[in-house]
Amino acid sequence: NAGVMQNPRHLVRRRGQEARLRCSPMKGHSHVYWYRQLPEEGLKFMVYLQKENIIDESGMPKERFSAEFPKEGPSILRIQQVVRGDSAAYFCASSPTGTGGEYTFGSGTRLTVV
Amino acid sequence: QKEVEQNSGPLSVPEGAIASLNCTYSDRGSQSFFWYRQYSGKSPELIMSIYSNGDKEDGRFTAQLNKASQYVSLLIRDSQPSDSATYLCAVNSGAGSYQLTFGKGTKLSVIP
Repeated sequence: NAGVMQNPRHLVRRRGQEARLRCSPMKGHSHVYWYRQLPEEGLKFMVYLQKENIIDESGMPKERFSAEFPKEGPSILRIQQVVRGDSAAYFCASSPTGTGGEYTFGSGTRLTVV
Repeated sequence: QKEVEQNSGPLSVPEGAIASLNCTYSDRGSQSFFWYRQYSGKSPELIMSIYSNGDKEDGRFTAQLNKASQYVSLLIRDSQPSDSATYLCAVNSGAGSYQLTFGKGTKLSVIP
């Protein structure tokens, strides 16, 4: 069981570039969540997806951020025109059911915007 | 605005002692409560979940929940240096909610 796979582990982007973060959930898990952890801050919910559906994106910034979980392939968190304030650790988690909170987290992607 | 509050620490305890970590939450309707452990530079790992008032024990860990006081705690018995990490309290408001609200975490240091 490979667990929740995230890549890349580290990503450096210049201001204005696009960042694409990928997440493959655990085998048997069809519910994917993205959380962001800013330095010295707690984890903040961004979006919850099931295959081909965005269920709750209330934590996503209104602009520049989007997420998808296609029928085939990993979930993608996309940040367009990155700014310094986007520098953070982005964690993906998966679970076998939608409600609850017993997540398995991936190892995260550390995004640095220079 | 749902809030989860934790003392940021650091909390230092000697090896073998009991570490007590506390958490309060603002949403009185919250139904599910979790403790995650996060080592520096690593991802959070679920260590305990609790859903009803009282105590829940798992090995050296005991989670305690008091919904009337909106208070959750985690006790770690026989603390080991390997327990040194940041402990995150997380709350799900229930009613079909998909989100967890996390506290900022308490950093625990177990001194050999």
